[in-house]
Order: sequence, then C-alpha cells, then structure tokens
Amino acid sequence: QVQLVQSGPEVKTSGASVKISCQASGYTFTYYYMHWVRQAPGQGLEWMGFLNPSDGSTVYAQKFQGRLSMTRDTSTNTVFLELSSLRSDDTAEYFCGREDYGGVWYSGVDVWGQGTTVTVSS
Amino acid sequence: DIVMTQSPLSLTVTPGEPASISCRSSQSLRHSNGFNYLDWYLQKPGQSPQLLIYLGSNRASGVPDRFSGGGSGTQFTLKISRVEAEDVGVYYCMQALQNRTFGHGTRVEIK
Repeated sequence: QVQLVQSGPEVKTSGASVKISCQASGYTFTYYYMHWVRQAPGQGLEWMGFLNPSDGSTVYAQKFQGRLSMTRDTSTNTVFLELSSLRSDDTAEYFCGREDYGGVWYSGVDVWGQGTTVTVSS
Repeated sequence: DIVMTQSPLSLTVTPGEPASISCRSSQSLRHSNGFNYLDWYLQKPGQSPQLLIYLGSNRASGVPDRFSGGGSGTQFTLKISRVEAEDVGVYYCMQALQNRTFGHGTRVEIK
C-alpha cells in the first residue's frame, strides 16, 4: 500500500543542523512532488517547500531560504529535509506529503507521513 | 505571498447538525484553466493532516459525501451537512496557486 514513513525523533541544540527523512513505498516515487509541512506545538500548519524527485529541483518558502535543503535518493525512494542554524522556534512536528504532478489536474496532497518530532534546546 | 484567512477560529456543533467554515484568500485562486487552487484538510487529534477537498470542490478519495467545498476567486466554504463525532479536529484551507499557504485553522468540537 502507499505509504510515507518518516525517521524518528531528533533532539538538537541551538545552532546545529538536523536532517530527517521520508521514505516512500507503494507508488512510483518520481511521479509525485514531496512537500514538507511543519507544526509547532499547539500551532497551525506551515508549508516549508517541496522537491521534485524526478530531477531533484526544489521550491522553498521564502522564510526558510538559505537554511533549508531538500534532497532525494532515488535508489531508496527517500526524500531528506535538512534545516540548519536551528533555533528554539524550529521545535515542531515535521510532516512530508506527496502531490501528484503528472496527472491531468492538480489533486492535492493526498498521502502524508506520520510526522517527525524535532526538538531544539538552548 | 498569498494570505489565507479562516473563520471562525472554533466551532462547537451538535451531532447531526450542519457546520460551515469560511476561507478567504488575499488574491484570487482562480487559475487560467478555470479551476480554483484551494484545498481543505482535516487534522484529527494526534494525527497527520488528511486531504478532504481539492480544486475547491472535488472530494478526495474516500471522503464522505457529507463534506462539500464551494466558492471561487477569493471566497471559499467547507460545509459538513451532518456533523459526526469522528469529524472533530482542526480544518485548514490551503492555497496551491502560488507555492502553498495554509489558513490558521478552524477547530471543530462536538457538543
């Protein structure tokens, strides 16, 4: 079945970097964009950006330009998110989600990972 | 950036009664292809978001028909015809015309 499995929780100190992963299975990896969305404790959803697994191209939200990197490994159907210069307000649950870009019409982010907790302590 | 504004912030509904959530965008979400690039997601307590509606009015696979989306341009509405206990959670609209932006969410609780 189609699923996105994310890596486990991370605890980092301020200023460090974190790299988390999202492994896809059950579908053709390169046919779907992979988005990353985060949610600070008790807050709403915040879109961070997406990666096209077919060619590795990325689009990032302006807010994260310069300290966000999304990459992929097509041999393992895995997308990575790396966030650098971590601050306490980066403490959040991070979700990956796929979007079909090859269909006739846009059809939303239809499958989501289970989330990865990133805690940044000072 | 396109700003998304949802109302109300929270809603308490009696089971079996209807519910409605509004979402307004700072720019029109109508694409040149005629579709409105607006999604609705539900995040149930302790879970990942789940897609309910895409392109303003299309129900995602497996979504009950008590959920319906409408609107165009900058004004959109999600309606639940008869709320059930399993519908509790936070509902988010998200624009997909220019990058992505979420609304701040509407919390739905059962009376």
